[in-house]
Amino acid sequence: ETGVTQSPTHLIKTRGQQVTLRCSSQSGHNTVSWYQQALGQGPQFIFQYYREEENGRGNFPPRFSGLQFPNYSSELNVNALELDDSALYLCASSMASGEQFFGPGTRLTVL
Amino acid sequence: QKEVEQDPGPLSVPEGAIVSLNCTYSNSAFQYFMWYRQYSRKGPELLMYTYSSGNKEDGRFTAQVDKSSKYISLFIRDSQPSDSATYLCAMRQAGTALIFGKGTTLSVSS
Repeated sequence: ETGVTQSPTHLIKTRGQQVTLRCSSQSGHNTVSWYQQALGQGPQFIFQYYREEENGRGNFPPRFSGLQFPNYSSELNVNALELDDSALYLCASSMASGEQFFGPGTRLTVL
Repeated sequence: QKEVEQDPGPLSVPEGAIVSLNCTYSNSAFQYFMWYRQYSRKGPELLMYTYSSGNKEDGRFTAQVDKSSKYISLFIRDSQPSDSATYLCAMRQAGTALIFGKGTTLSVSS
């Protein structure tokens, strides 16, 4: 059974740029959730996708957007990057509202 | 008041000690309670998953949920240096996103 994978592992961007992060869900899972984890903090919910539709959103601005594909993999897009967007971005997959299993994360640094 | 409160520590114990980690919460609608372990610069790993009140044991780990007090605990028996990590509590209502505590950093010395 393949676990949750994320790419890239880390990347550096400058303020104002755009970034796309990718996630492949665990085999058999149809739901993907994205979280932002700032240094020294717990993960904060960004949004969730279920069967290619957004199914819940946290307190993040519209410049955070996402997609889910027919194979249940997902992308997180962030436009107009700000310094405060520097964080570990985590993807978690699950079956509907079941237990969530996390990937290793993508560490984003915005300069 | 934050929805989930967790003492960030750090907590330092000698090898073999019993470790107690705790979270309190304010939302009485939370039904599902989890503990995740996160090593430095890695993703969280699910350790324990509990529905409603009660105890759950898995090897050296025991999770307790007291909904009347809005208090959850994770106990680690015979702690090992490999247990050194950040422990995150998380909880949610049915069909909603996980709400995490800040995490407690644990260091077990040999």
